[in-house]
Amino acid sequence: DVEMTQSPLSLPVTLGQPASISCKSSQSLVYSDGNTYLNWFQQRPGQSPRRLIYKVSNRDSGVPDRFSGSGSGTDFTLKISRVEAEDVGIYYCMQGSHWPRTFGQGTKVEIK
Amino acid sequence: QVQLVQSGAEVMKPGASVKVSCKASGYTFSSYGINWVRQAPGQGLEWMGWISADTGNTNYAQKLQGRVTMTTDTSTSTVYMELSTLRSDDTAVYYCARDGQLSSWGQGTLVTVSS
Repeated sequence: DVEMTQSPLSLPVTLGQPASISCKSSQSLVYSDGNTYLNWFQQRPGQSPRRLIYKVSNRDSGVPDRFSGSGSGTDFTLKISRVEAEDVGIYYCMQGSHWPRTFGQGTKVEIK
Repeated sequence: QVQLVQSGAEVMKPGASVKVSCKASGYTFSSYGINWVRQAPGQGLEWMGWISADTGNTNYAQKLQGRVTMTTDTSTSTVYMELSTLRSDDTAVYYCARDGQLSSWGQGTLVTVSS
């Protein structure tokens, strides 16, 4: 199985400041069709997960542009340019290039 | 808009089976597969498996092989996930999510396994 490793696991941030979450995979996520299926999800307290980013850097509809994804191969990053109160929650990366699908452990974002 | 509506919470005895449903709307049901993901209390997300809504082909997590069965009913655009021989560590919120990249999620179904 592809192991997904996130860091940090806890991220206290000041409102208005940037935040960055790293996600590393144990093997390349480049699929045979040339795409890299790395997704980012946000789970607010008490809610279902919601996909924010697909194929490394594509924002889902309705996702604020302060969220951005980058990376390639085995090394990926989610950035929030200016953290807002509504961004509090747990963020997960997930690889969709290999079976079984695997998630990172989650990064808890909280306000300082 | 895409909607996945799941069945309600269940309380089950150890050793029993539970069947959770996920009714899809807002898109062509047969065009996308459905994944099942679970989340134990205070824990992360665990992928359980995937079913093609078109062919019924499945791909299950190895640790659940033999205990999990996913099926579809194209007449009602509903996907089912049945988990058998329940144990206390199966207590979790179970989610369905559409397509290979989990673009849309259901509201979750809490399954509690307790004697």
